[in-house]
Amino acid sequence: QLQLQESGPGLVKPSETLSLTCSVSGGAMNSGTSYWAWIRQPPGKGLEWIGSIFYSGSTYYSPSLNSRVSMSIDTSKSHFSLTVTSVTAADTAVYYCARLGSGPYYGYFDHWGPGILVTVSS
Amino acid sequence: EIVLTQSPATLSLSPGERATLSCRASEDISDMLGWYQQRPGQAPRLLIYDGSNRASGIPDRFSGSGSGTDFTLTISSLEPEDFGIYFCHQRRNWPPEITFGQGTRLEIK
Repeated sequence: QLQLQESGPGLVKPSETLSLTCSVSGGAMNSGTSYWAWIRQPPGKGLEWIGSIFYSGSTYYSPSLNSRVSMSIDTSKSHFSLTVTSVTAADTAVYYCARLGSGPYYGYFDHWGPGILVTVSS
Repeated sequence: EIVLTQSPATLSLSPGERATLSCRASEDISDMLGWYQQRPGQAPRLLIYDGSNRASGIPDRFSGSGSGTDFTLTISSLEPEDFGIYFCHQRRNWPPEITFGQGTRLEIK
């Protein structure tokens, strides 16, 4: 059973860089056509896709965050990472990592981590 | 960018009642729409993919319908664990585009 788990600091100061890691277990990261993704949810609000990365390292980012976001992947360590630069209070959210499925689930988020709350505050 | 608009914003119903949730796309997305359930304090989970297909392990009281621009999620008889927030998501332009609806909150009346 594929499992994902986010990790990283729960508090980041304004103007600094947010860095999170998603550890993947129970399955290979370099199989099929699966992409790996970050999604966030500000408190009491909806879901916002941040970006997705393929096991080869190719990436797609949300246009609204493209200038501040970077993702990387290390399949040998079974994890992928997110950095968001120059954070403000508007970046406070629960951050989820997820898999974009393959086969019949192509393009849908079929596995999710439990999420990690990141607060931007001095 | 394809915009997804969900209605209503909040739906108040009692256990045993039927729930009907709507998602409208700003352009034709064929059947490339999914529905997710988010229980309080939990991550979302995939319920329906490609408009009408239930994901693995999803009870048959959940059904999806629609194509083009108008989609519906129906819960035939609400169970207590069905209350939460429901999101729609389109994959028509993936890659590179992914968009979600703003969500419908299903609350106990």
